[in-house]
Amino acid sequence: DARVTQTPRHKVTEMGQEVTMRCQPILGHNTVFWYRQTMMQGLELLAYFRNRAPLDDSGMPKDRFSAEMPDATLATLKIQPSEPRDSAVYFCASGKAGGPDTQYFGPGTRLTVL
Amino acid sequence: DQQVKQNSPSLSVQEGRISILNCDYTNSMFDYFLWYKKYPAEGPTFLISISSIKDKNEDGRFTVFLNKSAKHLSLHIVPSQPGDSAVYFCAASDGGGTSYGKLTFGQGTILTVHP
Repeated sequence: DARVTQTPRHKVTEMGQEVTMRCQPILGHNTVFWYRQTMMQGLELLAYFRNRAPLDDSGMPKDRFSAEMPDATLATLKIQPSEPRDSAVYFCASGKAGGPDTQYFGPGTRLTVL
Repeated sequence: DQQVKQNSPSLSVQEGRISILNCDYTNSMFDYFLWYKKYPAEGPTFLISISSIKDKNEDGRFTVFLNKSAKHLSLHIVPSQPGDSAVYFCAASDGGGTSYGKLTFGQGTILTVHP
């Protein structure tokens, strides 16, 4: 049963600390997306990759957020320094370019910044 | 600029009846549409999709209708079951363009099915 995995599922940290969220896309998928869900903004696209190359990160606050794909099986989203307004659920999704644009989501990381 | 809109934040339906969730879009380049279902504390789950070359796609109790001229799609659930209670997101893609699979999501509709 192929699925996207995300770690950690929950993270509580203090303002100013670095936060790293990890995502393992479905094997064989070559596009990876990072979303943030807040009450006000719905599902907000932060960044996405194709074949590990960043295509668009215009949705991210660049001064504090960074997204990378060290290899095809791992995507990371870092926040440094974290702020209380970053508290949200962060989802990773993967898909296969060249076919229907269906994305498959992980369970999310719930981040609370105190 | 909200390119995909779900104007009903919530919908309440009796078990066994039909649930109709609506979605409007403004970008005429969108050519692929999806519905996702989301339970609390879980990620969105792909439910059903439709290409712009069709006007209807059916999968069991779920049917999606697309009206391109009105830039409107709807999801019908018949019969509705209490387990269908979730947040439903509409999403759209202009897959043939340079989006590389990027989806634009609506704000979601909370469906509650009462026993």
